Parts: sequence; structure tokens; C-alpha cells
Amino acid sequence: NAGVTQTPKFQVLKTGQSMTLQCAQDMNHEYMSWYRQDPGMGLRLIHYSVGAGITDQGEVPNGYNVSRSTTEDFPLRLLSAAPSQTSVYFCASSFSRGSNQPQHFGDGTRLSIL
Amino acid sequence: AQKITQTQPGMFVQEKEAVTLDCTYDTSDQSYGLFWYKQPSSGEMIFLIYQGSYDEQNATEGRYSLNFQKARKSANLVISASQLGDSAMYFCAMREGQMDSSYKLIFGSGTRLLVRP
Repeated sequence: NAGVTQTPKFQVLKTGQSMTLQCAQDMNHEYMSWYRQDPGMGLRLIHYSVGAGITDQGEVPNGYNVSRSTTEDFPLRLLSAAPSQTSVYFCASSFSRGSNQPQHFGDGTRLSIL
Repeated sequence: AQKITQTQPGMFVQEKEAVTLDCTYDTSDQSYGLFWYKQPSSGEMIFLIYQGSYDEQNATEGRYSLNFQKARKSANLVISASQLGDSAMYFCAMREGQMDSSYKLIFGSGTRLLVRP
């Protein structure tokens, strides 16, 4: 049971480059989301999706795009990387029915922008 | 706006003793859920325990229990019989309401717990 799988685990980019962080889950969860974690702070929501074809912005969406073409996959795109986007990125998923459903997290992607 | 406050940046506890990690929250919604996650040094986020705003009993999961005081808007995590493996960062998080958009989690800044042998 793979759960939530994120790739890559580490990435170094130059300012201005673009890239896609991959996230896949095999639990048939409707809800998926992306968070970033900066030192001394909790996780902050970037974008989320309540089902295939439906996405919405979270707390810190600027500089990121998402799409949800399938239930399983929820990629996060950095359009033009900036040093302020250096962070650890977590993808999470959960069932959408039932307020007690915990979100299951991937292992994270550590991203450095030079 | 909803907010989670964890006032203890770091804590020490002696092995085998109990420890309480504080969490207060701010919401105007009557329906919400509170979660605690553990983040060990390896970085993954591990779900520990959940408390719903309408739950009359405090949640318990093994050595973890949640001291839920609704009137004070606090949801403190109690870890009994601490083990060395409990050394980690602990995050309190809240989800408001029942609608689809409410499945977003708001996180506190975390408490780093160090268990001393």
C-alpha cells in the first residue's frame, strides 16, 4: 500500500526555471492538497482539490499552478522559480466525506532555489 | 479568521513521564475538527489523534490523549509514558465546518519535543 507518493524527494533549481512536483495517491481519496513548510512555521496550504477537474487556491497560491485530471494525481507546477519558494513541499490526501477524516501526507519534496 | 496557536516552541520531558503540548484555536464556526500530527526528524507527517467539536468525550489513541476544553478553545495533546521515539515536532491543526472547502487544514507553528533518557 503506497499511500501518497511524492517525486522527486530533493530538487535544486535556478531562479527562473520551471518544474513540476508530482503527487500520486492510491487510496481513492477525493480530496488532495499541497502545503509548503518553512523553518519555524507550520504547513501552509498552497492549492487544493475536492475531486478530478476541481481545484482552488489556498493561503499561499502565488507562483504555483495545479491541475487534477485524475483522482490519483495532483501535480504542482512552479512557473518561474524564485528563492522565496525554497521550502519543503508536502502533498496530502483524504476522503472528503466525514469531518474526522485525517489527511495522509507524502514524505515531502525538499526544494532549493538558487 | 481561524487560527491555531502553539505557544511552546520547544519542550523537554524525562523518559517514562507524561507531557502536555498546548494548542489553542480561534474559530467562529460551531462545527470543526482538531488534529495532531507528529513530524520526526525524517520529515514525514504522521497523524496521531482527532477531536471533533461535537465529541463529548476526550479522544484517546494508545498513549495519546487530547484534553479538549471547548469553552477555552484549547485542545492540548497529552503523551503518557514518554519514549525516546517520541522526540519530534508536533503540530496541532484545525479544520472548520463540513463543506468541501472546509477540508483545508490550518496548522500551528509546532512544538519540538525532546525526550531525555
